[in-house]
Amino acid sequence: DGGITQSPKYLFRKEGQNVTLSCEQNLNHDAMYWYRQDPGQGLRLIYYSQIVNDFQKGDIAEGYSVSREKKESFPLTVTSAQKNPTAFYLCASSSGLMSSYNSPLHFGNGTRLTVT
Amino acid sequence: AQSVTQPDIHITVSEGASLELRCNYSYGATPYLFWYVQSPGQGLQLLLKYFSGDTLVQGIKGFEAEFKRSQSSFNLRKPSVHWSDAAEYFCAVGVMGGGNKLTFGTGTQLKVEL
Repeated sequence: DGGITQSPKYLFRKEGQNVTLSCEQNLNHDAMYWYRQDPGQGLRLIYYSQIVNDFQKGDIAEGYSVSREKKESFPLTVTSAQKNPTAFYLCASSSGLMSSYNSPLHFGNGTRLTVT
Repeated sequence: AQSVTQPDIHITVSEGASLELRCNYSYGATPYLFWYVQSPGQGLQLLLKYFSGDTLVQGIKGFEAEFKRSQSSFNLRKPSVHWSDAAEYFCAVGVMGGGNKLTFGTGTQLKVEL
């Protein structure tokens, strides 16, 4: 079955360390996204990518970095510059970026990152 | 910029009872509207979407939503709730020409009492 795989499901890091979250999709989707979810705040867009080797900042990109070297992969690095990195991170993809209605988001099952 | 408000943080209903989850949006034109559901520790699944046409849209799992332009609302309904419907529900809005960048509400946590 096609879908989005996020790994690991739980991740623990010490403060000051960078950590990379994996996101792989086999839906042949062009666009991929990273969202952060905090209790009571809904989902906030971190980064998105419309095509390989291209990505744009979302609403809360500070302290994060991404790469898009392959169509199926969009890893997110949470750097030590991110002040409050503990959160639930969701990766999503869509067939295109032109219309949210015609190409709705498909989500992975998320990675819960805890930084102490 | 568009915004979404889900005024109810938590809702509890008895199994078999009807359900209505509220969603209000703010946008100058007709937006794209979505309802997503999230089970604990999982990603989000699309329940239904609306842009134009019939203001009552049917989705998966027996859910429906009604768009009311005069009230800027897109409330989610289900006639008879099942225990498996317990989850968090998110309303989201997208705009024409805005690509696939959605604005999500803060979510409503649904608890179902047996």
